[in-house]
Amino acid sequence: DIVMTQTPLSLSVTPGQPASISCRSSQSLLHSDGKTYLYWYLQKPGQSPQLLIYEVSSRFSGVPDRFSGSGSGTDFTLKISRVEAEDAGVYYCKQGIDLPLTFGGGTKVEIK
Amino acid sequence: QVQLQESGPGLVKPSGTLSLTCAVSGGSISSSHWWTWVRQPPGKGLEWIGEIFHTGSTNSNPSLKSRVIISVDKSKNQLSLKLTSVTAADTAVYYCARVRLIDLFRAFDIWGQGTMVAVSS
Repeated sequence: DIVMTQTPLSLSVTPGQPASISCRSSQSLLHSDGKTYLYWYLQKPGQSPQLLIYEVSSRFSGVPDRFSGSGSGTDFTLKISRVEAEDAGVYYCKQGIDLPLTFGGGTKVEIK
Repeated sequence: QVQLQESGPGLVKPSGTLSLTCAVSGGSISSSHWWTWVRQPPGKGLEWIGEIFHTGSTNSNPSLKSRVIISVDKSKNQLSLKLTSVTAADTAVYYCARVRLIDLFRAFDIWGQGTMVAVSS
């Protein structure tokens, strides 16, 4: 199985400040079709997860442009340019290149 | 728009079978998407259970060995999950989600609200 490792486990951010979450995979997520199957999800308190980013850097419909994804191969980053109160929750990365699909352990973002 | 709603018993006895359904509304389960189950133990992260296409093709997580049965009922526009020989470790919130296939490959773009299942005598 591909192991997804996220850091940090948690971070506390002041509104308006940036935040960054790292995700590392145990194998390259670059597919032979040229795409990299790395996704980011946000689970707000008491809610189901919601898709933020697909294929490393593409924002899903309705996701604010303060969210951006980057990376390649096995190392990926989710950045929030200016954190807002509604961004609180647990962020998960997920790989989609191989079965079983696997998630990172999650990064809890707290708003100060 | 497409909505998903999980349902099933909230309590299952150890060694019993967990049975859940996920009703799809606002769209057809026979569309060009896979449908998946994901679970989340209390206070923990997300675990992929398995997925199904409307043709009946399935994939499941080897960690659950042969305990998982995922099926689809096109007449009711719903998918089902059965997990056999459950233990306390299977206590979790169970989510169903839609899996994009053609674009946004393997992205889970629509999720149900989840249903909590406790395994206890």
